[in-house]
Amino acid sequence: ETGVTQTPRHLVMGMTNKKSLKCEQHLGHNAMYWYKQSAKKPLELMFVYSLEERVENNSVPSRFSPECPNSSHLFLHLHTLQPEDSALYLCASSQERTAGETQYFGPGTRLLVL
Amino acid sequence: GENVEQHPSTLSVQEGDSAVIKCTYSDSASNYFPWYKQELGKGPQLIIDIRSNVGEKKDQRIAVTLNKTAKHFSLHITETQPEDSAVYFCAASIQSGANNLFFGTGTRLTVIP
Repeated sequence: ETGVTQTPRHLVMGMTNKKSLKCEQHLGHNAMYWYKQSAKKPLELMFVYSLEERVENNSVPSRFSPECPNSSHLFLHLHTLQPEDSALYLCASSQERTAGETQYFGPGTRLLVL
Repeated sequence: GENVEQHPSTLSVQEGDSAVIKCTYSDSASNYFPWYKQELGKGPQLIIDIRSNVGEKKDQRIAVTLNKTAKHFSLHITETQPEDSAVYFCAASIQSGANNLFFGTGTRLTVIP
């Protein structure tokens, strides 16, 4: 395993629900990332945190709200999602946010929005 | 921003044969190129990477080549085995900047026993 865990692994939610995805890294890294993986599309970077501070938000709709309470944990809060938000959501971490640092990915949460 | 194209989208080879996956990138400032392998039900895992100061890097049955002039890089897997079956992603980033990876769309490799 990579040292990055994600829960839940699968999630089905209605468009009016509120749910949260959780990521935890056991690697002592300082940077954490949320990606969206959709079929036949490149991985899309959503959010980047470095030392618990959000440093990048790639024009993600406000129905996605990240939270990083400490350097080991990262959450993605979901509310009033759309069916097109159905995808695999991946969390990753790296030692620093410096370019060229290896990113270690978790197994992802498979989200289905009905 | 950077645009990474990856070909082919699917690739089937006989066990023992070689597999080659190719990627091109658009931003000449990119100089870090990792390759990830994603197995079913798992997240992408780094298998090899190359930086722009070298043209080739090898790790056992896996090798990556980089042509900065042409802005393309390739993954070579020799003596393929069934456990090599997975989706492979190339990526590029600018080493002087933040750690933002731009990914290709992936290649599904099937190794036929």
